[in-house]
This record gives sequence, C-alpha cells and structure tokens, in this order.
Amino acid sequence: EAQVTQNPRYLITVTGKKLTVTCSQNMNHEYMSWYRQDPGLGLRQIYYSMNVEVTDKGDVPEGYKVSRKEKRNFPLILESPSPNQTSLYFCASRGRLAAYEQYFGPGTRLTVT
Amino acid sequence: AQSVTQLDSQVPVFEEAPVELRCNYSSSVSVYLFWYVQYPNQGLQLLLKYLSGSTLVKGINGFEAEFNKSQTSFHLRKPSVHISDTAEYFCAALDNDMRFGAGTRLTVKP
Repeated sequence: EAQVTQNPRYLITVTGKKLTVTCSQNMNHEYMSWYRQDPGLGLRQIYYSMNVEVTDKGDVPEGYKVSRKEKRNFPLILESPSPNQTSLYFCASRGRLAAYEQYFGPGTRLTVT
Repeated sequence: AQSVTQLDSQVPVFEEAPVELRCNYSSSVSVYLFWYVQYPNQGLQLLLKYLSGSTLVKGINGFEAEFNKSQTSFHLRKPSVHISDTAEYFCAALDNDMRFGAGTRLTVKP
C-alpha cells in the first residue's frame, strides 16, 4: 500500500529537549515536504526536499532542521523546541511531475511545555 | 511566489443544501490547483485537481470545482451536502512547490 508514515503520532515534551519526528514514504517520490498546521493559518511549509541531499527552506523554517540522506526518509529535527512550536505537523511526498498528487502522512501532534 | 486565499473561514450549511467554498490564487505562470479535505483528527485527502484541459473538474464524494483563469479562482461546489461532509477544506496551488490556503471549515447541520 502506497503511504507516508510518521512517528510518533503524539508527543509531549519540554522546552529545550531535542526531538526528531520521522517520515518515510514507499512510493519512490522525489519531493518531500514538512508542514505545520495551526488554527486559522492553514498549512505552512517548513522545509522541502527535491531529492536526496537537496533541501530548501519553506515559509517557516526557523527552529527546525531536516536531512535527506535516503530517498524514502525525511526526518524533521527540533534541536531546542519551544512552546511556539506546539502544532500539528504533516509530512508529504509527491512524484516529480505535477500530475502526481501530494500524499500526506497522518500527522504528528506535538506539544512543547 | 504563489499565494492562495480562501475567502471564507467557516461555512455553516444545512443538510441537502448546495455549498460553494471559494478559493482565489495569484500567479503569473501556469499553475496546478488542488482541493484537499481533512476530516476530524485525520490527515489530508485529495478531493480533486486541475492540471489542464476542461475547466470543470469532478472529484470524489460528489464535489466539483471550476477553474476560472480570468478571475484566478478555483471554487469548490457540491449540489447537496451530507452531514458526513463536515470537515476542513484546503485549496492549494502548485508551481515550484505547493502552497495552501488557510482552510474553510464546512459544518453541515441536520
């Protein structure tokens, strides 16, 4: 089954404690992205990657890091989480052509206290 | 850069009534347009997409959208809604990367 998986699904942590949210896709997609969803703001792109070892900033990259060492994986790293990073996070992937729809993971709800 | 504006943050409607969710985009180049639906506590699911060709696009669950280049709009419509259509709907545009609108919360009341 074609899918994007994220782990963990729910996470409560404290300010300053480094964390990683994993994302993996099994569709051999070139493009992968991370979004955060906040009420009234829709989905805002954090980082995206066009292929292995190619990443770029989205609209709200501050406080986040990513890496793309393998095509299937695109982890999101919060080196020192802060309460304003409390949000719902989605990983997504799509093929190189625009005809390929973007597939979303199930989401990770992060709370930073 | 591409931007997407959803003109209504909330749309309440009674069951079996028609509904239109409005979306405008800004772009000076070719753009691909999408509508996604997010049911409570779930991820995003593609409803429909416009890439080229016919300006009227039909999607899943009885939804359709019309691409209007002169008005830079891509409004989503359904002639008769059900309680199960209650969800958040996102319009999105893709050129180099995908941009989303802020979302419209559709609430269908009995």
